[in-house]
Amino acid sequence: AQKVTQAQTEISVVEKEDVTLDCVYETRDTTYYLFWYKQPPSGELVFLIRRNSFDEQNEISGRYSWNFQKSTSSFNFTITASQVVDSAVYFCALSEAGGGATNKLIFGTGTLLAVQP
Amino acid sequence: DTGVSQDPRHKITKRGQNVTFRCDPISEHNRLYWYRQTLGQGPEFLTYFQNEAQLEKSRLLSDRFSAERPKGSFSTLEIQRTEQGDSAMYLCASSFSGEGYEQYFGPGTRLTVT
Repeated sequence: AQKVTQAQTEISVVEKEDVTLDCVYETRDTTYYLFWYKQPPSGELVFLIRRNSFDEQNEISGRYSWNFQKSTSSFNFTITASQVVDSAVYFCALSEAGGGATNKLIFGTGTLLAVQP
Repeated sequence: DTGVSQDPRHKITKRGQNVTFRCDPISEHNRLYWYRQTLGQGPEFLTYFQNEAQLEKSRLLSDRFSAERPKGSFSTLEIQRTEQGDSAMYLCASSFSGEGYEQYFGPGTRLTVT
């Protein structure tokens, strides 16, 4: 069965600190996709990044970076120089691939990030 | 660019009443998903449409739940004989067909059953 674990329930940092959100996944599929979504206090889930299982290159987008390691089944997310606007719940998610796949998302329980000014 | 919209945003109902929610996906997307999110949890998959065909339903979707997407555009989710355990945020998402496309979510409908 597919499963996503986000062991950090809550993280509190002070503005300008770097913070890493952990994500560990389980799947028997050889082809799959991993995602990160942000859910700010307004409630709407915002797509941040998608990564397929064949692409282990790390990615950087501004202050955000993602580290994908198949060997440890992890897809961690780092925010550099955090800002108050980064305060939100962050979800890691997994979807299957292959013919007939629904692409339904299996979400972790989320990490609440609070950035203090 | 119009995103996914959902209506209503909030619904308070008494136990035993029926409720219906609507989702309008991004117009170019032919896949539509419904998820349910309870407090402190991640969204859980309920059901999925490819155009007008409902292709998968979760075991979470009891017989009291029904979803439709009659013309492959908007979708409705109906809950009959609501129970207090149905209180949750109901999220709709849409995406392009094909492997691994990201899903774009609407703002959700928050249901409170009293």
